[in-house]
Amino acid sequence: NAGVMQNPRHLVRRRGQEARLRCSPVKGHSHVYWYRQLPEEGLKFMVYLQKENIIDESGMPKERFSAEFPKEGPSILRIQQVVRGDSAAYFCASSPDVYTEAFFGQGTRLTVV
Amino acid sequence: AQSVTQLGSHVSVSEGALVLLRCNYSSSVPPYLFWYVQYPNQGLQLLLKYTSAATLVKGINGFEAEFKKSETSFHLTKPSAHMSDAAEYFCAAASFKAAGNKLTFGGGTRVLVKP
Repeated sequence: NAGVMQNPRHLVRRRGQEARLRCSPVKGHSHVYWYRQLPEEGLKFMVYLQKENIIDESGMPKERFSAEFPKEGPSILRIQQVVRGDSAAYFCASSPDVYTEAFFGQGTRLTVV
Repeated sequence: AQSVTQLGSHVSVSEGALVLLRCNYSSSVPPYLFWYVQYPNQGLQLLLKYTSAATLVKGINGFEAEFKKSETSFHLTKPSAHMSDAAEYFCAAASFKAAGNKLTFGGGTRVLVKP
């Protein structure tokens, strides 16, 4: 059984570029959560998606950040025009329903230079 | 809104000594509570969870936690620390509902184990 797969594990982007982070949930899981961990801080919720729908994006920055979870394929977290402050570890988690705890991926560590 | 507070961002213990990590939650309704461990450059691994069954919860690697509603606490303990316990530990809370089960995390406690 494959767990939550995130890629890439490490991503380096220059300021102003776009970052695309991918998350393949556990097979059969239709609920995906994204969290961000800034250096020396805990994880903060960003967005919750079900297939093709954004359910809760209360933790997403208003600009430059977007997320999708298409009918086919992985969930994507996109950050446009990255800035140094976007450097962080981004974690994806998936669950089969709203009443089961989510499983976490290994994270993507984004470094903006 | 929920909040989770972990007392002490760093804890240093001697190998073989008791590990005690403190977590308090703030919620009008007792939430589901979790402890996760994170090793350097790794993801989160679930240690244990409280889901309103037994108040004393046993987890992996010899850890356990006790839910105390009167104190709104969910402290994590291990009787005897091993070198392999050196990691960062996160307490988290969730309210499982139709709007999802997003987690609210504490700030984390980094554990150093001295030989």
